[in-house]
Amino acid sequence: KNEVEQSPQNLTAQEGEFITINCSYSVGISALHWLQQHPGGGIVSLFMLSSGKKKHGRLIATINIQEKHSSLHITASHPRDSAVYICAVVKYGNKLVFGAGTILRVKS
Amino acid sequence: EAGVVQSPRYKIIEKKQPVAFWCNPISGHNTLYWYRQNLGQGPELLIRYENEEAVDDSQLPKDRFSAERLKGVDSTLKIQPAELGDSAVYLCASSLGGTGAFEAFFGQGTRLTVV
Repeated sequence: KNEVEQSPQNLTAQEGEFITINCSYSVGISALHWLQQHPGGGIVSLFMLSSGKKKHGRLIATINIQEKHSSLHITASHPRDSAVYICAVVKYGNKLVFGAGTILRVKS
Repeated sequence: EAGVVQSPRYKIIEKKQPVAFWCNPISGHNTLYWYRQNLGQGPELLIRYENEEAVDDSQLPKDRFSAERLKGVDSTLKIQPAELGDSAVYLCASSLGGTGAFEAFFGQGTRLTVV
């Protein structure tokens, strides 16, 4: 079983919809990262969090340490949000373990 | 400020040939990572450097892969000889320190195709 599981694997939404991507992990962590990867592009860090909630523009990330779960929300989704969203956890010892990613497509 | 720079962006080689990737991290970032990302999967760590020291290379296939980070700045990752299964995107990332406290910044990656 993978240490980091993301759901859904694929997500198609209409422009303007509220989107949620989930990440569950099974190991002890010191932090969790949400990353965005565009086709042919590199990876961009969206959030790094170890507790609570963070907001940046239309993106919101939450984490529940007790439940070992994090969510990434996108409000008022737009076609330019189409990308792969990756959850990565920092295991003790500073090792990053990545989920497989969620492929998001937002249609206009 | 320039981000993490990788070269080349794309590389196509025949199997059994050698190949090398180069990474220039963000200035001042002590920690450098090399990841391999297969299609449809998340990146997997190959090696992590703290300055010039490789502190985690447990996932690096040492029979054919090697890496170096001379002077604790730029890094190269080499595969010799390459195999068909090495086709993947090789990502370099850097951070000020451990990713428990610092964001990791990623390069554009090198897409390797072995034919």
